[in-house]
Amino acid sequence: GDKVKQSPSALSLQEGTNSALRCNFSIAATTVQWFLQNPRGSLINLFYLVPGTKENGRLKSAFDSKESYSTLHIRDAQLEDSGTYFCAAEASSGSWQLIFGSGTQLTVMP
Amino acid sequence: AQTIHQWPVAEIKAVGSPLSLGCTIKGKSSPNLYWYWQATGGTLQQLFYSITVGQVESVVQLNLSASRPKDDQFILSTEKLLLSHSGFYLCAWSLLGGLENTLYFGAGTRLSVL
Repeated sequence: GDKVKQSPSALSLQEGTNSALRCNFSIAATTVQWFLQNPRGSLINLFYLVPGTKENGRLKSAFDSKESYSTLHIRDAQLEDSGTYFCAAEASSGSWQLIFGSGTQLTVMP
Repeated sequence: AQTIHQWPVAEIKAVGSPLSLGCTIKGKSSPNLYWYWQATGGTLQQLFYSITVGQVESVVQLNLSASRPKDDQFILSTEKLLLSHSGFYLCAWSLLGGLENTLYFGAGTRLSVL
């Protein structure tokens, strides 16, 4: 089965609304990263997380290693937030491998 | 100036032909370097990583090879392309030994094998 399971696979939002994306891990993840892939294909790093919470503008992310999940909250969604969001887990501290989820395709509509 | 540069931007190649994709990192000393592959609409699969010049580790076997001839350069290649090699190839870097192993990606190379 999937070691990093993302949900939902796709999501449509009205501009100005809020949303939450989630990743569940079947591995013992030590760190989590969230990325946004834009329509051109470039991936932008949004967060690097050890267990805990981080916030950056309208984005907030949490990682609970004991319960094996991570969330990404988007507040007041804007058109430029559209794209595919990926989470990725590091399976052991200092390892060189990130395991990516299958992505959430987000569309923000005016 | 961009830290990471990938070339070419896109390639259309015939089955059985050779391939070489390149990645250069500027302004970072001894970065960890990675190659990832993404099928259309799919997730990212790590192919190779390198923590130092001349040393490359394979993560999955896809009839591809990688080399790190210089500290700031990472090359992905094959002598014979397969149809299954089509997709989006991304190079990435992170800092060696840092507390945060944040991954930064290049703009990618889109490969179509016909």
